[in-house]
Amino acid sequence: SAVISQKPSRDICQRGTSLTIQCQVDSQVTMMFWYRQQPGQSLTLIATANQGSEATYESGFVIDKFPISRPNLTFSTLTVSNMSPEDSSIYLCSVEVPNYGYTFGSGTRLTVV
Amino acid sequence: GQQLNQSPQSMFIQEGEDVSMNCTSSSIFNTWLWYKQEPGEGPVLLIALYKAGELTSNGRLTAQFGITRKDSFLNISASIPSDVGIYFCAGPAGGTSYGKLTFGQGTILTVHP
Repeated sequence: SAVISQKPSRDICQRGTSLTIQCQVDSQVTMMFWYRQQPGQSLTLIATANQGSEATYESGFVIDKFPISRPNLTFSTLTVSNMSPEDSSIYLCSVEVPNYGYTFGSGTRLTVV
Repeated sequence: GQQLNQSPQSMFIQEGEDVSMNCTSSSIFNTWLWYKQEPGEGPVLLIALYKAGELTSNGRLTAQFGITRKDSFLNISASIPSDVGIYFCAGPAGGTSYGKLTFGQGTILTVHP
């Protein structure tokens, strides 16, 4: 399976600021996904990061709030913009590995104060 | 969208007991995945199921893909304290075998020594 390095692992941010989360994969993958896990909840897909084109966002998530970059087949970033306390969550990136399944990064635990 | 109903929400068991949890859906899934998440970590894939009726084991874990393709269960035999965590079922949305995942609500497992 692929190995994912996600940074930062945690951060405490002031409301109104933005945080960019990085996801680095040790092999080239076609599909990369960004999920949010609110406190005590399950995982909810934010968007699919496509290499060479704009990300595809799920209902309830918009590009202005969660801009995503995917410059190549091993890297993606998710930015949480103009943060409020409601954005406090764990953010996870995931990749699909053919013949294996889906691997997740260890997550970024974000607290907005 | 598609939803996965996972039960029970939580379990408190004694070390050595067997555990069973399940997921159901009103829609067909072509792949069922079972993940475990420990505090501060991303979900880790335990078992992947790709065919209706498939029964797969991974050590003390056994999972089955329901014949109707609308359900799956995960069993843990002879539980140990390190089994503690949140267990999620998941599957690719839209009846596909790849792409974005839909997650169940999770089962919180506590094992008393």
